[in-house]
Amino acid sequence: NAGVTQTPKFQVLKTGQSMTLQCAQDMNHNSMYWYRQDPGMGLRLIYYSASEGTTDKGEVPNGYNVSRLNKREFSLRLESAAPSQTSVYFCASLGGQGSRDQPQHFGDGTRLSIL
Amino acid sequence: SQKIEQNSEALNIQEGKTATLTCNYTNYSPAYLQWYRQDPGRGPVFLLLIRENEKEKRKERLKVTFDTTLKQSLFHITASQPADSATYLCALHTGGFKTIFGAGTRLFVKA
Repeated sequence: NAGVTQTPKFQVLKTGQSMTLQCAQDMNHNSMYWYRQDPGMGLRLIYYSASEGTTDKGEVPNGYNVSRLNKREFSLRLESAAPSQTSVYFCASLGGQGSRDQPQHFGDGTRLSIL
Repeated sequence: SQKIEQNSEALNIQEGKTATLTCNYTNYSPAYLQWYRQDPGRGPVFLLLIRENEKEKRKERLKVTFDTTLKQSLFHITASQPADSATYLCALHTGGFKTIFGAGTRLFVKA
């Protein structure tokens, strides 16, 4: 049981380049999330998908787009990367119809550097 | 705005002692609060959940308290071991499908 799988694990981009971060979960969870984690700051929510076919903005959505491809997969796209987007990106999934009483399951992150 | 604070300074304790980590929050009344563990280079892993109507929750050597009047949760690890060294994150359910996370407290347990 792999849980939440993120690819790639590491990536270096130049300013202005684009890329897509991939995330897949095999737990049949309805909800999926993208966070970024920066030193000294908590995980900040970028976008989330409460269920297949829906996506919503989180706290820091600017510069990002997402696609909920199917129930298993939720991708994050940087259209024109900026140095401020250098961070560690985590994908998570959540079981159940509502978020009450349910923990989130996280992948091991993508470490992204933008030069 | 909603705010969640954890001690940013690392906590250093001796093996066998009890580690106590603090999580304070403002401007919110969460239905429940969670604690996660994060090891270097890994994603957070869920440890415990405590609901607003629960004062205390235990799991093996872990204990969490939740004081909704003080807006504070305490996370205790008894008989700490070097393997308990990690960063511990506090998280509040903020409604619907959203959770906010604290920045975490690093714990070092010395043998």
